[in-house]
Amino acid sequence: SYVLTQPPSVSVAPGQTAGISCGGNNVGAQRVHWYQQRPGQAPVMVVYEDYNRPSGIPERFSGSKSGNTATLAISRVDAGDEADYYCQVWDGNSKHVVFGGGTKLTVL
Amino acid sequence: EVQLVESGGALIQPGGSLRLSCEVSGFMLGNYNMNWIRQAPGKGLEWVSYIKADSTLILYADSVRGRFTISRDNAGNSLHLQMSNLRHEDTGRYFCVRDGGKTGNQEFWGQGTPVTVSS
Repeated sequence: SYVLTQPPSVSVAPGQTAGISCGGNNVGAQRVHWYQQRPGQAPVMVVYEDYNRPSGIPERFSGSKSGNTATLAISRVDAGDEADYYCQVWDGNSKHVVFGGGTKLTVL
Repeated sequence: EVQLVESGGALIQPGGSLRLSCEVSGFMLGNYNMNWIRQAPGKGLEWVSYIKADSTLILYADSVRGRFTISRDNAGNSLHLQMSNLRHEDTGRYFCVRDGGKTGNQEFWGQGTPVTVSS
């Protein structure tokens, strides 16, 4: 089955830019979506189809892809961005929704 | 405003059955594909099941196939998940999620309902 790999944790100082990676075989051919899950809350989609932002999501959140890695970048990070972040694709071969293992973002 | 409200979660013994429901508002359920996604305590997100808007395509994760059944009532604006032969590893919060379409983005989530499988 298709596997998406994320680092378990990322730390960043306030005001800096955080980058969260998501690797997978031929992920360049996939459409990658990203979710933020704050403690005790439901996930919220922050980027869809690689780089698009849903209505209401700040421009500080951006998505990109290069080769077999997708990246979620969060600029001007503040304490409110502390959360778990998940990448996700639709695997057409297995017909499964697939999530990465999640990355805990810590703001120092 | 799009809202999804899950219900039906409970403490249940291994081998037992449970039916989860999701009432939606703010959109026409019949226009959207839907998913159930779960999260074990302290763990990541795991997709459980998918149902197309008109129920013509239904998919399950390998871990629940043959034990769980997804269904929907478009006229009643509700989604359901019938769970049987429950196992300890089915413990978690179950989210009802509106599917964004062709690329499978999960665009709107309910708050989830907790299921605990324990003797």
